[in-house]
Amino acid sequence: KQEVTQIPAALSVPEGENLVLNCSFTDSAIYNLQWFRQDPGKGLTSLLLIQSSQREQTSGRLNASLDKSSGRSTLYIAASQPGDSATYLCAVEQGSQGNLIFGKGTKLSVKP
Amino acid sequence: SQTIHQWPATLVQPVGSPLSLECTVEGTSNPNLYWYRQAAGRGLQLLFYSVGIGQISSEVPQNLSASRPQDRQFILSSKKLLLSDSGFYLCAWGRAGTVNTEAFFGQGTRLTVV
Repeated sequence: KQEVTQIPAALSVPEGENLVLNCSFTDSAIYNLQWFRQDPGKGLTSLLLIQSSQREQTSGRLNASLDKSSGRSTLYIAASQPGDSATYLCAVEQGSQGNLIFGKGTKLSVKP
Repeated sequence: SQTIHQWPATLVQPVGSPLSLECTVEGTSNPNLYWYRQAAGRGLQLLFYSVGIGQISSEVPQNLSASRPQDRQFILSSKKLLLSDSGFYLCAWGRAGTVNTEAFFGQGTRLTVV
């Protein structure tokens, strides 16, 4: 059974710092991995999708990497801003129907 | 562009009452549709998914049911709510027929069963 773990559960950093969020999964047979952002009481916003054949994806200040063989992904946020404060979730797609298995998230707080 | 609508945003219901949450998608056809639940202290858990009208798959045994009466409409229901049904319910859609497709989520419904 696939399990997705995110470390740390919470992170507080000063504005401007570069930071890394970690995600690990137990079964490497995945189609893709997605990173999402969730603001308090809101739905999920898709940030990056990495296909199983890819090593990384970039969008603005965000860079996500995937090492499928070791079951790891990282989300790198450059020059963090207070507006980046949110919970970041990673999820892996295993089934052919697009079903996602989520980690519990990392709650990020960026202090001005 | 595609949009997903989910309502209501919040709901407080007594134990034993019925439930109906609705989700609709615009701007696409024949989407895969999903219901997830986010309970306190737990990750998002897939409850149901649908690949077409009338086709529902359940991931976990539970007190809830789902229906897809129209191509872009997905409904989550219960005949009698339990306290354990409280949580944050999220509807999502993805393009059918392909893997490696992004999932897009609605804004969620906060359900509190009292």
